[in-house]
Amino acid sequence: NAGVTQTPKFQVLKTGQSMTLQCAQDMNHNSMYWYRQDPGMGLRLIYYSASEGTTDKGEVPNGYNVSRLNKREFSLRLESAAPSQTSVYFCASSSGTAGAFFGQGTRLTVV
Amino acid sequence: GENVEQHPSTLSVQEGDSAVIKCTYSDSASNYFPWYKQELGKRPQLIIDIRSNVGEKKDQRIAVTLNKTAKHFSLHITETQPEDSAVYFCAATLFNKFYFGSGTKLNVKP
Repeated sequence: NAGVTQTPKFQVLKTGQSMTLQCAQDMNHNSMYWYRQDPGMGLRLIYYSASEGTTDKGEVPNGYNVSRLNKREFSLRLESAAPSQTSVYFCASSSGTAGAFFGQGTRLTVV
Repeated sequence: GENVEQHPSTLSVQEGDSAVIKCTYSDSASNYFPWYKQELGKRPQLIIDIRSNVGEKKDQRIAVTLNKTAKHFSLHITETQPEDSAVYFCAATLFNKFYFGSGTKLNVKP
């Protein structure tokens, strides 16, 4: 049972490049999330998906897009990366009746 | 959305002492309050949670309390051990979205 799996673990991008962060969960959860973690700022919600085909903006959605491909997978796309998007990104999933389970994180650096 | 404030940002205690971390939330519709522990370089892990219809919950050395009227909730760790050293996050859940506090770095000195 892998839980929540994210890829890649590390990534360095140049300003203006694009990339997609992948996330998959095998816990049959309906809800999935993307968070970013910056020093001293906790975890901030980027996007949320309540179920396949639905997405909702979180606290900091600007510069990001998401796709809920199916119940298992939820991807995060940066169309034109900026240095301000340097962060650690976490994907998470939840059954909706308990806490969220997190992936191992992606450390992204934009230069 | 929801606004969660967490205090203190850092907390240093001697091994065996108790530690208390406090959080407040802004929206009375929030109904589920999980707490997470994050070790350096690792993912946040759920350690305990409390629902809005419960005032207190205990699991071995950790306990959480909730005051809905004041919109306060707290994490209590007793008999702290060096392995309790980590960053702790509180969260409030509003319409199935988790909103996190800014974290408390707990240092337990041997």
